[in-house]
Amino acid sequence: AQTVTQSQPEMSVQEAETVTLSCTYDTSESDYYLFWYKQPPSRQMILVIRQEAYKQQNATENRFSVNFQKAAKSFSLKISDSQLGDAAMYFCAFSASAGGTSYGKLTFGQGTILTVHP
Amino acid sequence: EAGVTQSPTHLIKTRGQQATLRCSPISGHTSVYWYQQALGLGLQFLLWYDEGEERNRGNFPPRFSGRQFPNYSSELNVNALELEDSALYLCASSSRLRGPQETQYFGPGTRLLVL
Repeated sequence: AQTVTQSQPEMSVQEAETVTLSCTYDTSESDYYLFWYKQPPSRQMILVIRQEAYKQQNATENRFSVNFQKAAKSFSLKISDSQLGDAAMYFCAFSASAGGTSYGKLTFGQGTILTVHP
Repeated sequence: EAGVTQSPTHLIKTRGQQATLRCSPISGHTSVYWYQQALGLGLQFLLWYDEGEERNRGNFPPRFSGRQFPNYSSELNVNALELEDSALYLCASSSRLRGPQETQYFGPGTRLLVL
């Protein structure tokens, strides 16, 4: 069974500063994908960033980047130059494939509430 | 490009009734996924449909069922509603053009309240 753990229920950051959200996962699969999703108060889940496990290079999307440590099964999200609009619940998620066939499902962590102070 | 749409946005039912939730995927996407986000339980995978067939199912009782139509839209049916079924139900869709694991894009959700 796969598990995803987010150990920080809440985090806060000052506007324009940098914050890092932590995520660890556990799996026996070798072919998997990791995601960070953002859920603002509107409840719409929005993809922030995606990382394929076979890629050694860390994914980046503008102000968002990840630190993917495969051996440690760690997948943290760094938000640079934080903006008020970044305030949301952030979920780390995991999806696996076996033999080229996806299991389909995303396994989510418990979420981290990010507050951005002006 | 239109995103994933879900209807209704809110649904109020009484215990024992049936609820039907609907989802339209992004154009070109063939896979539809359903998740339950209940208070205190986080996001739980319910069902995955692709090309009209159920491909995977989460740890939910059989009274949670669904189907996918030829146009790839989907319905989630919850029979014999219980109070603990109150939750936000999220639908997501993905394509399979680039391989076995595509990114899932979510709709705005249907909030179900069981009284």
